[in-house]
Amino acid sequence: QSALTQSASVSGSPGQSITISCTGTTSDVESYNFVSWYQLHPGKTPKLMIYEDSNRPSGVSDRFSGSKSGNTASLTISGLQAEDEADYYCCSYAETNFRVFGGGTKLTVL
Amino acid sequence: EVQLVESGGGLVQPGGSLRLACEVSGFNFSNYEMNWVRQAPGKGLEWISYISSSGFTIYYGDSVKGRFTISRDNAKNSLFLQMSSLRAEDTAVYFCARDLPYVLAFDMWGQGTMVTVSS
Repeated sequence: QSALTQSASVSGSPGQSITISCTGTTSDVESYNFVSWYQLHPGKTPKLMIYEDSNRPSGVSDRFSGSKSGNTASLTISGLQAEDEADYYCCSYAETNFRVFGGGTKLTVL
Repeated sequence: EVQLVESGGGLVQPGGSLRLACEVSGFNFSNYEMNWVRQAPGKGLEWISYISSSGFTIYYGDSVKGRFTISRDNAKNSLFLQMSSLRAEDTAVYFCARDLPYVLAFDMWGQGTMVTVSS
């Protein structure tokens, strides 16, 4: 199954905003509102940050926001903090394979 | 407190079998759809299997279809993954993950169990 496409890495300074993109196809991201985003710190359990493209679970900072345009979903983190440094993965419902993840993006806080 | 605890990982030879378990507590297991997700060393997350709350609907990723079997025992609050014909590329940390109802997102995860396939 083909993974969703994410840039390998992104970086930003504390206080800045960054955006991580996740590109899919008409068979997944574009046609369904089931994109979710996960934060993964090394050695820790993945944490759900965004679901249904843009909804934030309770307890997740409002510095995290999700959006989508066409076949590309985006995760924006505003007011970057040191603890935001982690790997971020998008995931979508997919017609052919039920669920598909992106390859992951490593966020570095400079 | 919601908890998901995986077990059953270990070292297995290529072609061998292994059965993973995920014991849950803190929520009504029989009401939730469940999944297995894995992460190979230095690689990204990969969804590998889904099972509905009743167990009647099951899906697999292409990489494990025909070799892995997901199941659940709602009376014992447990999820299972029977893995056979294991390959080196199945080496990974295996997570069980709960689906947030109706939104196809993994809202709770276990800590993972490591499976190493090597001779």
